[in-house]
Amino acid sequence: SQQGEEDPQALSIQEGENATMNCSYKTSINNLQWYRQNSGRGLVHLILIRSNEREKHSGRLRVTLDTSKKSSSLLITASRAADTASYFCATIFTGAGSYQLTFGKGTKLSVIP
Amino acid sequence: KAGVTQTPRYLIKTRGQQVTLSCSPISGHRSVSWYQQTPGQGLQFLFEYFSETQRNKGNFPGRFSGRQFSNSRSEMNVSTLELGDSALYLCASSTDRGLYPNTGELFFGEGSRLTVL
Repeated sequence: SQQGEEDPQALSIQEGENATMNCSYKTSINNLQWYRQNSGRGLVHLILIRSNEREKHSGRLRVTLDTSKKSSSLLITASRAADTASYFCATIFTGAGSYQLTFGKGTKLSVIP
Repeated sequence: KAGVTQTPRYLIKTRGQQVTLSCSPISGHRSVSWYQQTPGQGLQFLFEYFSETQRNKGNFPGRFSGRQFSNSRSEMNVSTLELGDSALYLCASSTDRGLYPNTGELFFGEGSRLTVL
């Protein structure tokens, strides 16, 4: 079953606006990662935040992690048409014997020029 | 440095046939994972190999199998294809040095899109 659940499923914004996507998960994690996928292509790693971190920045990306609420958010500032893609959060269980990355179903972001 | 290479990129098979997909990881990466992506189920973990050993396996039937060679290249095989096997199959490699557990980022290939008719 999916560990992470992204919200919203789809998001449409104008170029220049900020985009916020949320991810909730169910169990304790080691870290949480965000990936981007352009239509039908492979996934590209964006950012990794560890369970003992609360916020992380990378360029126009800002990720927060709230382990008490089991949730994370990805903020893309000053969006561009090239940011149009699907965004996935992925988590790794800290339970014994299982450490594969488990993905949510993604948020489809459309940035309108 | 070359990225993860998957072949073939597209293929069409009929029910009952088998298929083999290939993945060449980034040079120096010894961990290779496979994922299936479908519109209905999303991204699902198939299996992971490290140094020619299957280290972890997802919840897929035995028709799905894989292997890894000494040069870290990996193949996955699906036998007795079903319509529901139509999907994008993604391979990813990582810089895992063998320390358990692997928690680092994955580098994905462009995928092999399988259509089963």
